[in-house]
Amino acid sequence: GAGVSQTPSNKVTEKGKYVELRCDPISGHTALYWYRQSLGQGPEFLIYFQGTGAADDSGLPNDRFFAVRPEGSVSTLKIQRTERGDSAVYLCASSLNPSGGYNEQFFGPGTRLTVL
Amino acid sequence: DAKTTQPPSMDCAEGRAANLPCNHSTISGNEYVYWYRQIHSQGPQYIIHGLKNNETNEMASLIITEDRKSSTLILPHATLRDTAVYYCIVGRAGNNRKLIWGLGTSLAVNP
Repeated sequence: GAGVSQTPSNKVTEKGKYVELRCDPISGHTALYWYRQSLGQGPEFLIYFQGTGAADDSGLPNDRFFAVRPEGSVSTLKIQRTERGDSAVYLCASSLNPSGGYNEQFFGPGTRLTVL
Repeated sequence: DAKTTQPPSMDCAEGRAANLPCNHSTISGNEYVYWYRQIHSQGPQYIIHGLKNNETNEMASLIITEDRKSSTLILPHATLRDTAVYYCIVGRAGNNRKLIWGLGTSLAVNP
């Protein structure tokens, strides 16, 4: 079946601009995660959705970052007033239901964001 | 900060077993050990996880020491496609969103 998809695959923007990154999770997966990965580093947790609600947004670096998942499926990560330091690969992952036992996270290919 | 320590890089000959170590000396009793890998320019891929007992699946084996302070991921017959960064992560079941990713081990499988 289809895996997690992310669009666009690459995004180049100018400092100060607004960007939206989209994630389509695996159908039926209730949990959705956003991560950010800088070059040579492991993924850094940003936010986790269970259904439509953000169950944990403790990883968002500041209030310029916001994410939504209005219908419990597709999610959009929004970054306002982008800064050069926001340049990274933004990864999305989904899992069936993380409560209780462990559910593996399925990752998308990521969106490479470059802020000039 | 990451709660695991891994060597930054390793080499392995194609067809041989790759043994990737991980130190997690501060692991708590209710924390699992998870392994993911990331092939260049792709998203991470789940490999295996375990709590106390050794685990095996179609991809790899996970050997956890009795004191649980370290573990080894074993790829029994490494292929060129196993070249990737391997991440060892500890975290509580049911709370896997809080997995803290370190720098991982960059494994190069050589022909």
